[in-house]
Amino acid sequence: SQQGEEDPQALSIQEGENATMNCSYKTSINNLQWYRQNSGRGLVHLILIRSNEREKHSGRLRVTLDTSKKSSSLLITASRAADTASYFCATDDYGGATNKLIFGTGTLLAVQP
Amino acid sequence: KAGVTQTPRYLIKTRGQQVTLSCSPISGHRSVSWYQQTPGQGLQFLFEYFSETQRNKGNFPGRFSGRQFSNSRSEMNVSTLELGDSALYLCASSPHLGGGGDNEQFFGPGTRLTVL
Repeated sequence: SQQGEEDPQALSIQEGENATMNCSYKTSINNLQWYRQNSGRGLVHLILIRSNEREKHSGRLRVTLDTSKKSSSLLITASRAADTASYFCATDDYGGATNKLIFGTGTLLAVQP
Repeated sequence: KAGVTQTPRYLIKTRGQQVTLSCSPISGHRSVSWYQQTPGQGLQFLFEYFSETQRNKGNFPGRFSGRQFSNSRSEMNVSTLELGDSALYLCASSPHLGGGGDNEQFFGPGTRLTVL
């Protein structure tokens, strides 16, 4: 079963605007990751944030993590048409020596040129 | 370095048949995981291999099996195919064993399986 929910399920914005996606999860984690998936293709790793971190930046991406609320957000600033994709958060399988990822439901982002 | 490769990219089978999917991880990566992606269930973990040993298995029936070879390449097999097995099957590799630290996964392009 999936770890949690992402919202919104779908988001449509204009180029240049910012996009914010939220992810909630259910159990303890060591880290949380965000992945991007272009239509029907493989996933591309965007950023990883550890449970003892509150915020992380990578280029136009900003991720926050609130472990007390079991939630994370991904902000994409100054969006481009090429950012159009589905975005997934994924948590690790806490306590296990495993690479298993537990994915959220995903947010479909459409950036209009 | 070449990325994760999966073959074939597309596959059409009929109910009752079996299928084998292949995954070659990034050179040097010894961990390979498999995921099934469907519109209804999303991304679901199938299994994980490290150094030819299955380390973890998701909640799938025994019709789904896998293995890993000494060169880290992995195959997954689905026997007695059902319509509900139609999905995108994704393989991911990692250089790490996993657990507690950085376990960034590198995904292949996937194999699109259609069961008729």
